[in-house]
Amino acid sequence: DVKVTQSSRYLVKRTGEKVFLECVQDMDHENMFWYRQDPGLGLRLIYFSYDVKMKEKGDIPEGYSVSREKKERFSLILESASTNQTSMYLCASTPGWPYNEQFFGPGTRLTVL
Amino acid sequence: EDQVTQSPEALRLQEGESSSLNCSYTVSGLRGLFWYRQDPGKGPEFLFTLYSAGEEKEKERLKATLTKKESFLHITAPKPEDSATYLCAVQAGTGNQFYFGTGTSLTVIP
Repeated sequence: DVKVTQSSRYLVKRTGEKVFLECVQDMDHENMFWYRQDPGLGLRLIYFSYDVKMKEKGDIPEGYSVSREKKERFSLILESASTNQTSMYLCASTPGWPYNEQFFGPGTRLTVL
Repeated sequence: EDQVTQSPEALRLQEGESSSLNCSYTVSGLRGLFWYRQDPGKGPEFLFTLYSAGEEKEKERLKATLTKKESFLHITAPKPEDSATYLCAVQAGTGNQFYFGTGTSLTVIP
């Protein structure tokens, strides 16, 4: 079974802190994604990566950056956390076309105070 | 602009009462439509992929169908353990991006 793990289930940070969220997948998937999920807004794509060191902006990249130095690991960085970044963060991976079903991690509930 | 709309937002069913969830989409060049189940506090879990109009997939009490404008997730004789939020997503065009609907929250009452 594909396994996608995220570094923390719950995280509480202060405004202005730099925050790292890490995601690891164990099935050699090409593509990895970071979403945030908010009530009434659904899943919104922050960034995705289709190869090591390659990244593309999603719909809401402002205030975030990403890093993919190894194929299995995709990190989301909040450069200076703000209260409006309080959310559930979900990481996903896919093998690549034509097998594009996404496998999600358990999510990180981030609260910024 | 590509859009995915799910209805209803919430659905309450008695155990055994069959119903359908809708996902309508307006995208160019559909490459795939995906259904996921999400339990509270967890990440979505993949259910089905549909690629072309007329295609159907089944798994236990769930059946997904696809037309050129919408997909239905039919739930036959649901049980309380089917209670969850069901998400629909599409992939379209040449990009790698997926577009998600906001989901249908299903509650099955014993």
